[in-house]
Amino acid sequence: DTGVSQNPRHKITKRGQNVTFRCDPISEHNRLYWYRQTLGQGPEFLTYFQNEAQLEKSRLLSDRFSAERPKGSFSTLEIQRTEQGDSAMYLCASSLSAGFDEQFFGPGTRLTVL
Amino acid sequence: AQSVTQPDIHITVSEGASLELRCNYSYGATPYLFWYVQSPGQGLQLLLKYFSGDTLVQGIKGFEAEFKRSQSSFNLRKPSVHWSDAAEYFCAVGANQGGKLIFGQGTELSVKP
Repeated sequence: DTGVSQNPRHKITKRGQNVTFRCDPISEHNRLYWYRQTLGQGPEFLTYFQNEAQLEKSRLLSDRFSAERPKGSFSTLEIQRTEQGDSAMYLCASSLSAGFDEQFFGPGTRLTVL
Repeated sequence: AQSVTQPDIHITVSEGASLELRCNYSYGATPYLFWYVQSPGQGLQLLLKYFSGDTLVQGIKGFEAEFKRSQSSFNLRKPSVHWSDAAEYFCAVGANQGGKLIFGQGTELSVKP
């Protein structure tokens, strides 16, 4: 296994368009996390899954954001009606199980909203 | 509410010099503390973590960190910096048993030859 992968690595879109990002965690990792990182800041938690169940969502995750993890494997993060303020790096991480097992991060998807 | 403060946005050290990056946290209970490193184009990599026990923890790449409850600090240290250590360093606290991490804003490390 080569680690957590994210696609696409870069996405440029126009304001108002919908975008979808994909994260493939390390196989057998039950936990999957999404974070957002803006320039000059640390990552901010968005949501996480235990297998296919979404267990927590940050208030940063407005109604325009939705995340899924069907079958407890890969996950998608969709942003509807993108705004310029959505421009950021979207990071995915996975960990083996509950608690504070090490989170392995993917390289991120950089979103630019024009 | 839990929070992490990294007071230094940018630090420059000479190669071979010692390094200390500061981290202060706010958390009501015993914290789970982490240091991650992020190199350009790379994902975040865990350097070390503190859960309990010995307050001096050793990590990868020659890094260590010391947990000081009285000062609410978890500073990262390295005795001799290498040029390849130039990167962004993030301190984080585990917010609850769910595993969610709260990160500081990061410290960018530059290394002079």
